[in-house]
Amino acid sequence: QVQLQESGPGLVKPSQTLSLTCTVSGGSISSGGLFWSWVRQHPGKGLEFIGYIFHSGSSFYNPSLRGRVTISVDTSENQFSLKLTSVTAADTAVYYCARVRRVDYDDYGSLYYFDYWGQGTLVTVSS
Amino acid sequence: SSELTQDPAVSVALGQTVRITCQGDSLRNYYASWYQQRPGQAPICVIYGENNRPSGIPDRFSGSRSGNTASLTITGAQADDEADYYCNSRDSSGNHPLRFGGGTKLTVL
Repeated sequence: QVQLQESGPGLVKPSQTLSLTCTVSGGSISSGGLFWSWVRQHPGKGLEFIGYIFHSGSSFYNPSLRGRVTISVDTSENQFSLKLTSVTAADTAVYYCARVRRVDYDDYGSLYYFDYWGQGTLVTVSS
Repeated sequence: SSELTQDPAVSVALGQTVRITCQGDSLRNYYASWYQQRPGQAPICVIYGENNRPSGIPDRFSGSRSGNTASLTITGAQADDEADYYCNSRDSSGNHPLRFGGGTKLTVL
């Protein structure tokens, strides 16, 4: 059974960098057709896609966060990480890591869906 | 529009059928996936693609698509189905690889 677990500080000061790691167990992060993503949820709000990465290192980000966000992967540790720079109170949220599976179709574009999620970790930005 | 639009709230009587919709231009070209999120829990996928249910998801959940609208249907809603539901799909503009709808809060009466 695939499991994902987020880890990292629960409190970050404004203007500093938020850093989280997701450890994957029960499966290889290098498997084909799989991507590794971060999603966040502001208190009482909906889900926001942050970005995802392939094991090769190719990454894609939400344009609203581009320039502040970096997702990296460590295949030797079966982990991937999120860094978000210059944080403000608006970055306070529950951060989820999730596995994304790609499904290819002949008649439509490829589908990417989130098939496994971590439990989420609350990160508060406050001095 | 590149956004995915969902009704903020929907209600259904216990045992009845409810449809939750998601509208967006990208849905003309890409399938959607649907996620259930109960309070305090991580989301789980209930439908992906045309109408595929991950293992463990009851068959009362089904999906469909027409034009720019994707739908999640719960046939015979149970009290346990009360939750927030989010659609997700790729973005046609190419600038935003994946996008979530705003979410629909389902109340089972």
